[in-house]
Amino acid sequence: AQKVTQAQTEISVVEKEDVTLDCVYETRDTTYYLFWYKQPPSGELVFLIRRNSFDEQNEISGRYSWNFQKSTSSFNFTITASQVVDSAVYFCALIGSGNTGKLIFGQGTTLQVKP
Amino acid sequence: GAGVSQSPRYKVAKRGQDVALRCDPISGHVSLFWYQQALGQGPEFLTYFQNEAQLDKSGLPSDRFFAERPEGSVSTLKIQRTQQEDSAVYLCASSLVSTALRINSNQPQHFGDGTRLSIL
Repeated sequence: AQKVTQAQTEISVVEKEDVTLDCVYETRDTTYYLFWYKQPPSGELVFLIRRNSFDEQNEISGRYSWNFQKSTSSFNFTITASQVVDSAVYFCALIGSGNTGKLIFGQGTTLQVKP
Repeated sequence: GAGVSQSPRYKVAKRGQDVALRCDPISGHVSLFWYQQALGQGPEFLTYFQNEAQLDKSGLPSDRFFAERPEGSVSTLKIQRTQQEDSAVYLCASSLVSTALRINSNQPQHFGDGTRLSIL
C-alpha cells in the first residue's frame, strides 16, 4: 500500500520565521516520485517540486528548500523567512511505479503566517 | 487561458439530481485526471484518461459516477442521483506525457481551480 502522512494539521508562525512542514511516505516501490503542492484560498493546486527516488540531493529554490531522506522515508519542506503570502494549505504527494500516475496525497498542512 | 479550466466554479444541487462537471485541459496534454477533495482533506483520485481512453477508474466511489473524454480533450464528470456525501471540490488535472512508461511522472500534473459541489 502507498500512503503519505502529514502529521502537522495546522502551523502558525509570525512573518520572517522559518517553518518546516513534515512529510512521511510509505511505498514498496523502488521507483517513485514525491511532490509538494500549494493550495491557496483560491483552491488551485500549485506545483512546487518533484523529486524522484534516486535523487536524494536536497534542493533549494529561493526561500524554499526540500530535504529528502530515503532512510526515514521523509520529504520535508522548509520555508525560510516566511511571508504572509505563504499562507496556504500545503500537500505532499506520491506517485509509485505500476500505476497510471495518480497522485496519492497527504492530508495537508495549513500554514498561517501572521504579519 | 493557458491553464486547466473547470466549470462551473460552484454548483448547488438537490439530492437526487444529476450533475455534470466540465474540465478543459491544457492544450496538447495527453493525460487527464479527476480528483475529489472533501473539506479539510487531501485530494483523492477518481479516474484517469490517456487521450480518449479511460485507463483507470478505480477511484470512482460508486456506479453513480461516470466520466468521459470522447475526443481526447475536454472531459466531463457526471454524477447521477446525487447524495449529500458527494459534496466536495472536484479537481481536474492534466499532464503532458502518456503512460507509455509504467510511471507517468516525467511532468507534473497541472490543476484547475476545481468545482465546488454542494448537495442540499
